[in-house]
Amino acid sequence: AQSVAQPEDQVNVAEGNPLTVKCTYSVSGNPYLFWYVQYPNRGLQFLLKYITGDNLVKGSYGFEAEFNKSQTSFHLKKPSALVSDSALYFCAVRDVSTNKLIFGTGTLLAVQP
Amino acid sequence: GAGVSQSPSNKVTEKGKDVELRCDPISGHTALYWYRQSLGQGLEFLIYFQGNSAPDKSGLPSDRFSAERTGGSVSTLTIQRTQQEDSAVYLCASSLAGRVNTGELFFGEGSRLTVL
Repeated sequence: AQSVAQPEDQVNVAEGNPLTVKCTYSVSGNPYLFWYVQYPNRGLQFLLKYITGDNLVKGSYGFEAEFNKSQTSFHLKKPSALVSDSALYFCAVRDVSTNKLIFGTGTLLAVQP
Repeated sequence: GAGVSQSPSNKVTEKGKDVELRCDPISGHTALYWYRQSLGQGLEFLIYFQGNSAPDKSGLPSDRFSAERTGGSVSTLTIQRTQQEDSAVYLCASSLAGRVNTGELFFGEGSRLTVL
């Protein structure tokens, strides 16, 4: 079965510092991987995806993610964090047999001024 | 409307009552999903509608849960005889048929259900 794991419930980072939010996956076949963000009291918003091609994927709001097949990881990164990046981040994988998106448990990113 | 609309935004009910949650997807989106978001549990898939195909109900947690989608547009999630463990935020998402495979779902802001 397809699954993703987000090992950190919360990540704390100072504004201006680089941030990483971790995600590992388990799939059969080629992985279709995604990151979504949920701002307080808002719905989820699509950030970026990896389907095929370059391992470094660029998305919205200056975020990027690196697909690493050998480590089965798809970590979300940003070179310089903003306080406004504070939100709940979800990694997801598409179940190719059912078209469902399978989400991780989420990581709360807190950026301190 | 411009986005996925869900109603009510908040619902407080007593244990044993039935509730209905509504989702208006983006016009033209043929794929519609319901997810449940509980604290510390991430997003739990409930049900998926795609066009005129039979819905994928594999995520519904019990027979108290049902959903329908009328005319390929509006969807209603019904929970009968609510229990306290049903308390959660219920999220609806829609997508263009061609975008389902690429995972670009558009989510509503959710319906927060509290069962007392």
